[in-house]
Amino acid sequence: GDSVTQMEGPVTLSEEAFLTINCTYTATGYPSLFWYVQYPGEGLQLLLKATKADDKGSNKGFEATYRKETTSFHLEKGSVQVSDSAVYFCASRNDKIIFGKGTRLHILP
Amino acid sequence: NAGVTQTPKFQVLKTGQSMTLQCAQDMNHEYMSWYRQDPGMGLRLIHYSVGAGITDQGEVPNGYNVSRSTTEDFPLRLLSAAPSQTSVYFCASGAVPQDTQYFGPGTRLTVL
Repeated sequence: GDSVTQMEGPVTLSEEAFLTINCTYTATGYPSLFWYVQYPGEGLQLLLKATKADDKGSNKGFEATYRKETTSFHLEKGSVQVSDSAVYFCASRNDKIIFGKGTRLHILP
Repeated sequence: NAGVTQTPKFQVLKTGQSMTLQCAQDMNHEYMSWYRQDPGMGLRLIHYSVGAGITDQGEVPNGYNVSRSTTEDFPLRLLSAAPSQTSVYFCASGAVPQDTQYFGPGTRLTVL
């Protein structure tokens, strides 16, 4: 069945560092791909998405590109802030959505 | 526009008790789903519904029942609570399964 694998956390970076969180998927067909973010004590909220190969999703300085050839959807940000500290979930969707296990990100001032 | 609401926010149960977690959305979404979130396990799909009167099982349905009598509401019932059901439960809705999902704030359940 479909699955999503993302890098284990926690990831700890200093403010203004470059961020990459890896995500790969296995799926039949061409699923939509998503990154969700969960701030402490809250539910998940959509960060960005891409619905077809080579699409780039972007929001709040974060970007991810749908790479069909490598079945990947890595999340990147050029300069992280303390306020980016959260848990990030990669997800794929065909008939139902499948989430990765989440990556906790700590940004130090 | 309240989005997705869940009640209660916190609940403590004893083993064997039953209860219903409420979920409601006001966005006229057809697709609704329930997840549980456990440390190191990410989110796991319990049950989902593609419209009123239609429900289906997800990855971890045992011990839970759902019904969808209206588009707005999708309650999750624990029939006989067990300590293994201690978790944070999230309800989500979306226009279609492939679309953005909107999550409620969660219910933190402890079963003693």
